[in-house]
Formats: sequence, C-alpha cells, structure tokens
Amino acid sequence: GEDVEQSLFLSVREGDSSVINCTYTDSSSTYLYWYKQEPGAGLQLLTYIFSNMDMKQDQRLTVLLNKKDKHLSLRIADTQTGDSAIYFCAESLGGTGTASKLTFGTGTRLQVTL
Amino acid sequence: NAGVTQTPKFRVLKTGQSMTLLCAQDMNHEYMYWYRQDPGMGLRLIHYSVGEGTTAKGEVPDGYNVSRLKKQNFLLGLESAAPSQTSVYFCASSLRDRGRPGYEQYFGPGTRLTVT
Repeated sequence: GEDVEQSLFLSVREGDSSVINCTYTDSSSTYLYWYKQEPGAGLQLLTYIFSNMDMKQDQRLTVLLNKKDKHLSLRIADTQTGDSAIYFCAESLGGTGTASKLTFGTGTRLQVTL
Repeated sequence: NAGVTQTPKFRVLKTGQSMTLLCAQDMNHEYMYWYRQDPGMGLRLIHYSVGEGTTAKGEVPDGYNVSRLKKQNFLLGLESAAPSQTSVYFCASSLRDRGRPGYEQYFGPGTRLTVT
C-alpha cells in the first residue's frame, strides 16, 4: 500500500537552511513532488524529482532522493519569513489516464523565526 | 485568468443537511479532483473526473457524490452531512495526465466545512 510520512513541525531561524524530510513506501513511484500551502490557500507545486534522479536543484531549493531508503528531502537555503508554510511531499505512480494518482504526506509546518 | 475557484469559502451545516460545493476552472483542464484535508492526515482524494460527463471514486468516496456536466465545473455534493465530514475541501484541476510534471494539479483556495 501507499503511505507517505512527514514530521509535523520544523522551526528555523531566518537565514538558516531548512531541511524537510519525507518517507514513502511505494517503490514503484515514478515522480515525487513538494507542494507548499500558505495559510488560507490551496497547495502550490514547488518542485519535483523523477525517481531515477538523486538530486535536483532549483534556486534556493534542493531535493534529495534516496530510493534505496525511500527517503525524500527538501532543503531550503537562506530561509526567509515568506517560506513559513506547510510543505507536503507527494508521490505518483506516473502512467496515464486513470491509473496515475498522487498520494500526499501529512504535511510539515515550517515556522521561520527572526 | 482566475485559475481554480471554489464556492463557498466557509459553511456550517447541521447533521443531516445537504449542500453542494462548486469548483470552477478556466484553464481548459481535462482532469478535476476533490480532496479533503484533515489535521495530521494530509490530503485524501474523494472523487475525480477525467472529462466532461465522467466521474470516478477516489480513496474516501463514501457520503459524497459528484457531477461534471460541464468541462469547467466539478460539483461535490453531501446528501446527508455528518460530523465526520467536517474538513477543509480542496478542488484541483490538471491537464490530461495527472501523474506527470508539466501536468501538475492546480488547487483552489479551499472550502472550510463544519458539520454540527
């Protein structure tokens, strides 16, 4: 079965790096995603990684994937107060049509302090 | 271009009452979805639609019905609301293939529903 787990809360100081972790159980996942949810808003796609990659960097964001351990992480460099939000990881089995779907983790609330 | 909009933003129902949540998108997306978000549980898929006139069950469909009469609208109905349906409901839409990057899901702002 599919199960995606995250820690519930992370607090960092402005300017420090944040690392948000996620573990998943479905080894056939083809794409893994990070979504951001700001207060009172819907989810917004931040970045994604294909399962045959180990790392992806996108400006201040670095995604690391350890497929052996089924562990995904999101590192935010130089964390700013605007990064305060809930971060969800999600996995997809890929494919087309009705076969593909996203399974979301429980979300990690990132609090950035001054 | 409004993206994905949801109506209403907030609603309080009494047990046994019915209501319909409306989702609209102006991006000409084929796929639309309804999720519920509960504390500590992430998002769970209720129903989805791969095109006008078609719907399918997701992970937690019981107690909900949906309809997609027009491509741009996806309605979620609660026929007899129960306190267990207290949640935040999100609608999303995407281009044809919902599992692949470039076809990511775009989310609405959510509807907070309380059933007393």
